[in-house]
Amino acid sequence: EPEVTQTPSHQVTQMGQEVILRCVPISNHLYFYWYRQILGQKVEFLVSFYNNEISEKSEIFDDQFSVERPDGSNFTLKIRSTKLEDSAMYFCASSDPGTGDYEQYFGPGTRLTVT
Amino acid sequence: AQTVTQSQPEMSVQEAETVTLSCTYDTSENNYYLFWYKQPPSRQMILVIRQEAYKQQNATENRFSVNFQKAAKSFSLKISDSQLGDTAMYFCAFMKHAGANNLFFGTGTRLTVIP
Repeated sequence: EPEVTQTPSHQVTQMGQEVILRCVPISNHLYFYWYRQILGQKVEFLVSFYNNEISEKSEIFDDQFSVERPDGSNFTLKIRSTKLEDSAMYFCASSDPGTGDYEQYFGPGTRLTVT
Repeated sequence: AQTVTQSQPEMSVQEAETVTLSCTYDTSENNYYLFWYKQPPSRQMILVIRQEAYKQQNATENRFSVNFQKAAKSFSLKISDSQLGDTAMYFCAFMKHAGANNLFFGTGTRLTVIP
């Protein structure tokens, strides 16, 4: 069964450093998403991406964040200058609602620790 | 704006018994989707069940069923014959029918199945 994959599973970085989180969505999906979950809290929407551009973004997704689909398979989230409060689990998801299936398929997540 | 409320931070149930997790939501949309996601200790987000708002019939997936009350904006999850593997965080989520279809999550209910 096709699945969303994410790398790395755990990333430790120092405050102020740039990080790139990588995701490989399901191959025939056209919509891509990033969510984050601070430890012990709910999952929060960051950004959605369709047709090579951002469709929607939340208030959390400020100028420190960017997304990119550099090739036909990867979907990345970049945080330019990490802060302590960026420590969280980051989930990538993909969907293809054009088929009538609105389910978002989640990857296993990347745990980001900012020290 | 959409909000999702889960009023039970923690619940427990004896193995083989039935438990119901509550969820209410607030929206001005008429067409939307509702979901229950399970997050085990591995933190992977796993879809349990989904409900389209235009369908009056409650969704059922094996031991999992929902009680969808559109007028009351209520979407509870019933787990029958609870199993130890059901121990997890359960998140209720809302998705607008139109647009980029990002998910709005509740704060979650931690369910523990007691042997």
